[in-house]
Parts: sequence; structure tokens; C-alpha cells
Amino acid sequence: AQSVTQPDIHITVSEGASLELRCNYSYGATPYLFWYVQSPGQGLQLLLKYFSGDTLVQGIKGFEAEFKRSQSSFNLRKPSVHWSDAAEYFCAVGSYNNNDMRFGAGTRLTVKP
Amino acid sequence: DAGITQSPRHKVTETGTPVTLRCHQTENHRYMYWYRQDPGHGLRLIHYSYGVKDTDKGEVSDGYSVSRSKTEDFLLTLESATSSQTSVYFCAISMTAPDEQYFGPGTRLTVT
Repeated sequence: AQSVTQPDIHITVSEGASLELRCNYSYGATPYLFWYVQSPGQGLQLLLKYFSGDTLVQGIKGFEAEFKRSQSSFNLRKPSVHWSDAAEYFCAVGSYNNNDMRFGAGTRLTVKP
Repeated sequence: DAGITQSPRHKVTETGTPVTLRCHQTENHRYMYWYRQDPGHGLRLIHYSYGVKDTDKGEVSDGYSVSRSKTEDFLLTLESATSSQTSVYFCAISMTAPDEQYFGPGTRLTVT
């Protein structure tokens, strides 16, 4: 089965600074990749997804992610972080062969004023 | 926002008692999922459904059962709750799979 690793449990950045959250996946075929955000006490909301095509995908709230097959990575980026971006971020990988979506353990983002 | 509700939103129960959580959708999506969220583990799939009366196990299905008798409702049952099942439970739906999933607000379950 597919799996996801998010190496950073917690990241702190200053407001206005750039952000990169790492995601590495393990899957033998073409993965279906997702980034979700979860604010405290809330469910998850999709930021962006990659199925095929252009490896740089744009999402909501100014986020983007780049699929790199050679590195088995799907890192999330934002050029300038806002205080409202403080939340937990989850990378997920799906498979066409089954309906099992696997999530990473999450990265908690703190934004300093 | 996708029309997904979960009930109850909070529940405290004792070890050994049965518990049923309900997920209700108004979107007519084919796929429905139950996840549990625990610190350090992210979300882990318990069971999912790909149609009425069609269900399958996920990564952590032991101790849980599900039923889906109508498109809009997906029930998760803990036959005999244990303290290890203390968690936050999320329901999600999607039109196709794999695809974007829409999540409910969650149910916080505490087993004492």
C-alpha cells in the first residue's frame, strides 16, 4: 500500500516569510497527491491536488506544490505567509487501484508576528 | 461547504459499551469514508463505502463495523468500546475515487 512521510512535525515561520512543507510518498505507480489544511477544531479542507500533467500545481490561498517523481516528493510552498495560515497541514496519497487514501502525520505551522 | 454532518459531535462512554456514530450527507456522493485522527498519526482510514450496502475495510478496521443502507447515511459502530478507541472521528465523502474528499466537522469520542 502507499504511504506518506512528512518529516517536519512542527515549523515556525515569521509572517511574510516564505514557506515550504515537505512531503515524501511511497507508491509504485502514478500517485494521486493531495494537500489538506486543518484549522483547530475543524475538519480538513483541500488546498490542491495533483493527478497528472503539469508538475507545478496551484491551489487556494496562494499555495502551490511541485510533484517531483525522481524524488518521490510533493512539497507545498507559499511565497509569503500570513498569520491566518497557522494550522496543521496534511499530505495524502491515493491510488487508482484501491480506495485507500493514506495521510501523513501532519506538519503544524506556527506563524510569528 | 459540502453538506456533511456528524452526530453526535461529542460523546463520552464507558469501556465495553456499544457506540454508533452517524454521518449524513446531502451531496449524493457515491463514496463515504470514516477516519480516526490521533496525534502523531494523522488520519487513518477505518472503513469506506463505494455505494449502498457496499463497504470495505481500511487501514485500522479492527473493532469497528459500518453500514450504509441509504446513499446519504454512513454509520460507524464500535461494538464494545475500548480506551484505545478514544479519538476524533471524521467522516468524508467524494464523488469519485481517488479524488478530493470533503470532510465533516468531526466527532470527539472519549472512552473511559
